[in-house]
Amino acid sequence: DGGITQSPKYLFRKEGQNVTLSCEQNLNHDAMYWYRQDPGQGLRLIYYSQIVNDFQKGDIAEGYSVSREKKESFPLTVTSAQKNPTAFYLCASRDLAGYTDTQYFGPGTRLTVL
Amino acid sequence: AQSVAQPEDQVNVAEGNPLTVKCTYSVSGNPYLFWYVQYPNRGLQFLLKYITGDNLVKGSYGFEAEFNKSQTSFHLKKPSALVSDSALYFCAVKGGWGKLQFGAGTQVVVTP
Repeated sequence: DGGITQSPKYLFRKEGQNVTLSCEQNLNHDAMYWYRQDPGQGLRLIYYSQIVNDFQKGDIAEGYSVSREKKESFPLTVTSAQKNPTAFYLCASRDLAGYTDTQYFGPGTRLTVL
Repeated sequence: AQSVAQPEDQVNVAEGNPLTVKCTYSVSGNPYLFWYVQYPNRGLQFLLKYITGDNLVKGSYGFEAEFNKSQTSFHLKKPSALVSDSALYFCAVKGGWGKLQFGAGTQVVVTP
């Protein structure tokens, strides 16, 4: 899991609540990504960011929001508009300067809606 | 659009036997292909990647993958499987902006 931390490890949300998942990296990577994992569906991209103060929607951005105020941090907010948020959420980062193309992943946050 | 397919939901193999996990891809242009492994309730760990060059790519933990352009495949292999190799394996292809498109995953079960 390298230098990427995600917190909390487990998160429980009540219907109608917004929750924020933390992702921090100390790898000095420029790009950061959020994925959602559901059984049998692989990983799907929610949002990504190549640089501070800029981010783009992925394939399933509806009901989610992000910010990128610092290079090392890329928090994800799951809003009440996300109708089925129970899933495993993974954050990743990539070094653009080295052109390695490899994404490195954090340990994940498991979100459960009660 | 870039995509990968993993045709097997699960692969069962006895310890000590060769392990193969299949992946086929569909891309426009030259593919950048990756293999990751995931243990229960953990993040993904990078195993290996193909960018260009030799068709046989060697990676971590004794794994290797063979890139076959004519068959559009990138199968993951290990000559002798261990019980500790039991995990979920993902194939992925790089798209624009460095985004990865993942397959659905293949569960590997290695029995003693």
